Amino acid sequence: DQQVKQNSPSLSVQEGRISILNCDYTNSMFDYFLWYKKYPAEGPTFLISISSIKDKNEDGRFTVFLNKSAKHLSLHIVPSQPGDSAVYFCAARLTGNQFYFGTGTSLTVIP
Amino acid sequence: DTEVTQTPKHLVMGMTNKKSLKCEQHMGHRAMYWYKQKAKKPPELMFVYSYEKLSINESVPSRFSPECPNSSLLNLHLHALQPEDSALYLCASSPLGLAGTDTQYFGPGTRLTVL
Repeated sequence: DQQVKQNSPSLSVQEGRISILNCDYTNSMFDYFLWYKKYPAEGPTFLISISSIKDKNEDGRFTVFLNKSAKHLSLHIVPSQPGDSAVYFCAARLTGNQFYFGTGTSLTVIP
Repeated sequence: DTEVTQTPKHLVMGMTNKKSLKCEQHMGHRAMYWYKQKAKKPPELMFVYSYEKLSINESVPSRFSPECPNSSLLNLHLHALQPEDSALYLCASSPLGLAGTDTQYFGPGTRLTVL
């Protein structure tokens, strides 16, 4: 059973606009959440993370929001750039360093 | 050095072959991981090593045998694999830092094809 879900397989956004990628999870025991970016034939690259005790974390153009009551997190990219086009995975961690990944969202930023 | 390296990049093997995948990191990380990723699916955790000891085995078949000879090196030994084992095998490492702050860094993966 998929404990971390990304319900949008793909997303297209105009350059300069905001990209919002969403992720839902079912296990309330997850204590740490991460976003990764992945290009074809490469391993995932870490982008940004958030602890379960926080509701927002910002790093440059990337902001992650966590809504624990809704078991939902989102990644905002603003402004979006063509180089941001990739597959984005959210991941969640259980204690003991068990990480579970979402199914991914393919982002295309249109110049 | 913030890199996780994996060799080989590509591997083709028959069902009777024995082969090994290798992963290396020099970031001083004390946790290392093997993941399997099929096309259009998320990475699935296979094994976790913490301080060179196997801490998590996600019910992986015994034809996959992990080994952690030292804190920088992680191997995955393969024997009698099936065609459905064909996938991208990803290695990752993490510092095992303060609770809630551990971040994994991934290698580029080994693309495995079992004939």
